[in-house]
Amino acid sequence: EAQLEESGGGLVQPGGSLRLSCAVSGFTFSNYWMNWVRQAPGKGLEWVASINQDGSENYYVGSVKGRFTISRDNAKNSLYLQMNSLRAEDTAVYYCARSRDNANDYWGQGTLVTVSS
Amino acid sequence: ELTQSPGTLSLSPGERTTLSCRTSQTISSTYLAWYQQKPGQAPRVLIYGASSRAAGIPDRFSGSGSGTDFTLTISRLEPEDFAVYYCQYRGGSFGGGTKVEIK
Repeated sequence: EAQLEESGGGLVQPGGSLRLSCAVSGFTFSNYWMNWVRQAPGKGLEWVASINQDGSENYYVGSVKGRFTISRDNAKNSLYLQMNSLRAEDTAVYYCARSRDNANDYWGQGTLVTVSS
Repeated sequence: ELTQSPGTLSLSPGERTTLSCRTSQTISSTYLAWYQQKPGQAPRVLIYGASSRAAGIPDRFSGSGSGTDFTLTISRLEPEDFAVYYCQYRGGSFGGGTKVEIK
């Protein structure tokens, strides 16, 4: 069965940087679009970014464009999210999720990012 | 943009309920998905392509709709169904969610 595990979250000061990782197993990683989705405390789900199978296409929600970069290493079965110029409003649980049939069919358990001084 | 209504539903186990998701423009039903999320857990996909149940999802969950109006129906609420439900367009933006709580 597909498994996804995020890591790299933590406490960071405003303006700082953090790199999230998502290690996957149980499926052929290079065959799927992948995504990052976040959820601020007590709020709803927000799609953050998507990347295609070979990393040649990526898309971002407007609020993170120019600050976040999604990438992947198919040889390492890993997805990444480089987050720069972090703001308090980026505080959230960040999930990685696999895309299939225009839906996210497998999700990790999430990693908490807290942006605070 | 996806608008879900109502924001909260207070219901009893055994009841039937319908959740609404409206899109700001006409979309292909291929692109509409529904998720369930319980506190402290990752979301779980219930429905994709507006009406196809994901693997392992009980048949009391059904999806329908087209154009701009989509619905998720739970035919008979079980205790484990009290949760927050989200719709999603094309693997991207989500609606604001509907919380189904115990009355």
